[in-house]
Amino acid sequence: GQQVMQIPQYQHVQEGEDFTTYCNSSTTLSNIQWYKQRPGGHPVFLIQLVKSGEVKKQKRLTFQFGEAKKNSSLHITATQTTDVGTYFCAETQGGSEKLVFGKGTKLTVNP
Amino acid sequence: DGGITQSPKYLFRKEGQNVTLSCEQNLNHDAMYWYRQDPGQGLRLIYYSQIVNDFQKGDIAEGYSVSREKKESFPLTVTSAQKNPTAFYLCASSIVAGSYTFGSGTRLTVV
Repeated sequence: GQQVMQIPQYQHVQEGEDFTTYCNSSTTLSNIQWYKQRPGGHPVFLIQLVKSGEVKKQKRLTFQFGEAKKNSSLHITATQTTDVGTYFCAETQGGSEKLVFGKGTKLTVNP
Repeated sequence: DGGITQSPKYLFRKEGQNVTLSCEQNLNHDAMYWYRQDPGQGLRLIYYSQIVNDFQKGDIAEGYSVSREKKESFPLTVTSAQKNPTAFYLCASSIVAGSYTFGSGTRLTVV
């Protein structure tokens, strides 16, 4: 079935460096959601993007939805140790409410 | 406080045994979902329900069963037919077209 491809699978950065994870789809997405899962925890909703070219910011996090609505990115500026975790993108499949998740990008931050 | 509660937090299953994972929400959400998470695999959908007394199979439903007799409750039974049940199980709920709220998960181990 339809699936978003997420890259990279792992990313290790030094504290203070920037971080970006990307989601790509071969088909047009109706919307995309982003979640963060801390180590040992459960996914927590961050944001939903709906409009073509949409850019949303949450403090040091910037979320973008591509013009063609086939890709999305999450950028973290000046990472902190609290940013550690796995970041997932997810898209709504077909006409249902069920989300299909990417495999996630696991971020580790070296203090 | 509204939320979604999963129990137990840890569960051990013997070979050939059925076990049931509990998921209860007081968010008044219509839709509920069960996901399985394995390392490096992201989240895979087992079953979902958009309304009481109705549910649909997800991508990996074999060896699992569910019921939705009440809006608040969506228990998952891992049957003996599931050959590799060791995983982290996550329950979630949502309103129509909304973001997901996840429970804190159940870690199931076969002993």
